[in-house]
Amino acid sequence: AQSVAQPEDQVNVAEGNPLTVKCTYSVSGNPYLFWYVQYPNRGLQFLLKYITGDNLVKGSYGFEAEFNKSQTSFHLKKPSALVSDSALYFCAVRDPQRSGGYNKLIFGAGTRLAVHP
Amino acid sequence: SAVISQKPSRDICQRGTSLTIQCQVDSQVTMMFWYRQQPGQSLTLIATANQGSEATYESGFVIDKFPISRPNLTFSTLTVSNMSPEDSSIYLCSVGRMGDREKLFFGSGTQLSVL
Repeated sequence: AQSVAQPEDQVNVAEGNPLTVKCTYSVSGNPYLFWYVQYPNRGLQFLLKYITGDNLVKGSYGFEAEFNKSQTSFHLKKPSALVSDSALYFCAVRDPQRSGGYNKLIFGAGTRLAVHP
Repeated sequence: SAVISQKPSRDICQRGTSLTIQCQVDSQVTMMFWYRQQPGQSLTLIATANQGSEATYESGFVIDKFPISRPNLTFSTLTVSNMSPEDSSIYLCSVGRMGDREKLFFGSGTQLSVL
C-alpha cells in the first residue's frame, strides 16, 4: 500500500537556523510527492511537488525539498527559518492506482514546526 | 490558483442533527474532493464530488452518512447526517484543475463540534 511517514510530531527551531522536516514514503512505481502547509484556522496550502527531474525541488516561501530515491525520503528544508514559518506541515504522495486526473493524495500525519525568536 | 469559499467556518451541533457544508470555487474546476481531518490526525479523503452524478466514496464512508451534491463545476455541498461526537472534525473542500492535476487547492475548512 502507498504511504508516507513523518517521524516527528514536532520540530523546534530557532529563528535564523536551518530547518528540516522529515518525510519517507512507500509507493509502487515512481512517486509523486508533495508538501503542504496548514497555518492556524486556514486550509492547506501547496508548497512544492516532485514529479520527475531534479532531486532538489524549490517551492513557495523559500522552502525546498530533496528527493532521495535510495533512502525513499523527501525531506522539506529551509536555509533560514522565520517565526512566521510556524505551522503544521504535511507530506503527501499521490496514489498511482488512481488515473485519469483523479488525484487521490495520501497524507502523512503531519509535523508541527515551531520557530522560536 | 483557485479561491475556495467554505461555509460555515465552524459550528457546534447537537447529536442526531445534520449539517450541510458548502464549497464555492471562483472558477470552474475539474475535480472536487471532501476531506476530513480529525483532531490531531491527518487528512482522510471522504469522497470525490462528481458533477451531475453520484459522488465516489472512499472505503469507510457511505452516502447515507455523508451525502454530497455537485450541481455544477463551481459548487458542492457535503452533509454530515445524524451526527455523533465522533463526527467532530475539520471538514475540508479541495479542488483540482485538469491543467495541473497534481496540485490540490484547499478551502479553509469547517470545524465541526458535536455535543
